[in-house]
Amino acid sequence: GAVVSQHPSRVICKSGTSVKIECRSLDFQATTMFWYRQFPKQSLMLMATSNEGSKATYEQGVEKDKFLINHASLTLSTLTVTSAHPEDSSFYICSAKPLRNSNQPQHFGDGTRLSIL
Amino acid sequence: KQEVTQIPAALSVPEGENLVLNCSFTDSAIYNLQWFRQDPGKGLTSLLLIQSSQREQTSGRLNASLDKSSGRSTLYIAASQPGDSATYLCAVLEGGGADGLTFGKGTHLIIQP
Repeated sequence: GAVVSQHPSRVICKSGTSVKIECRSLDFQATTMFWYRQFPKQSLMLMATSNEGSKATYEQGVEKDKFLINHASLTLSTLTVTSAHPEDSSFYICSAKPLRNSNQPQHFGDGTRLSIL
Repeated sequence: KQEVTQIPAALSVPEGENLVLNCSFTDSAIYNLQWFRQDPGKGLTSLLLIQSSQREQTSGRLNASLDKSSGRSTLYIAASQPGDSATYLCAVLEGGGADGLTFGKGTHLIIQP
């Protein structure tokens, strides 16, 4: 089955640090990848849609200069949390979709637990 | 804006019982609906996906139904086992299927041995 690898699984770092999270589709090409965030006891919220070769589309209230997304290839999207602060501590999870506008489901990575001290 | 609600928020039942988890969504113009399982601190495991034209999907002891017009879906778990303990998430996909998913907050399920 389709596998999405997300790395790292856990990050603990000091306030002001920039953190990069990678999302890779291992056995399929993904023209579209999604980044979600989940705060404790809350639902997963879509942050942005990452399209290969073009700029990401951000959801309302998500700062594009804070959360940099790069989707340079059909198998890799990266999310960089710039100058992270304690309020950015959350569970970040990506998903990848093989084809745009297809009936195929999104496949999720295992998530990244980010803790900013 | 689409909103997804899951009831109950938490559920604890003895092993062996059959149970139903509920999901409702405010905008019936969905592309599909998906049920996921999330274990503590882990990612998502897709359980069942129902296209908007379908009424139900089955996988093993799991059965999911979809009533698109009323904005409701149920996940039925038969003969529950302690290994079924997890948080179950309902998510809908809108638009032409190119958008991200809208999730509910989940139902935290505990199956007592």
